[in-house]
Amino acid sequence: EAGVTQFPSHSVIEKGQTVTLRCDPISGHDNLYWYRRVMGKEIKFLLHFVKESKQDESGMPNNRFLAERTGGTYSTLKVQPAELEDSGVYFCASSQVGRGTDTQYFGPGTRLTVL
Amino acid sequence: EDQVTQSPEALRLQEGESSSLNCSYTVSGLRGLFWYRQDPGKGPEFLFTLYSAGEEKEKERLKATLTKKESFLHITAPKPEDSATYLCAVQAFSGGYNKLIFGAGTRLAVHP
Repeated sequence: EAGVTQFPSHSVIEKGQTVTLRCDPISGHDNLYWYRRVMGKEIKFLLHFVKESKQDESGMPNNRFLAERTGGTYSTLKVQPAELEDSGVYFCASSQVGRGTDTQYFGPGTRLTVL
Repeated sequence: EDQVTQSPEALRLQEGESSSLNCSYTVSGLRGLFWYRQDPGKGPEFLFTLYSAGEEKEKERLKATLTKKESFLHITAPKPEDSATYLCAVQAFSGGYNKLIFGAGTRLAVHP
């Protein structure tokens, strides 16, 4: 079974440009999460989808970040316009919908560098 | 505020030298505590989930335990391939749904 995949693995852009990150969850997983790790800090939650619906957006830093999950399959995270402080590693995770606590499986991450 | 603190930040062991990593947490209601392993340039890899105080889980040289305030990851007779960053995360009943709250991690280096 394929794991969570993310594209690109690395992106270098200039301040003010737009970048779109993509995440393909494990097949059959309705829960999809985005997290971010900035330099020297712990991994922090951004948002949570259940199928195509945003369940929790409490971690999104500002309105320059837009996440979508069309058709409840893959998800994109767009940063527009990018700022220097957006640099970091963006992780996607997915899990099955079920009772109790779920186990989230992570992708390899996208390293974003804003110059 | 829900919080996770891991110690030590870094740990260097000789091959075969057993030790423990600590994860202290403060949450209004614990749904689950998770341990992940992360290798450089990769995403976190799931190891264990613990749900209630007194619970223990084992996998090869790793054993995770849970109390009402902290969790320990015991590493018995480690090998160089156990070198990685070990992350602890909690899910709380408060604060919304299933988000994970991570600690900063412990960087483990095992030398032959």
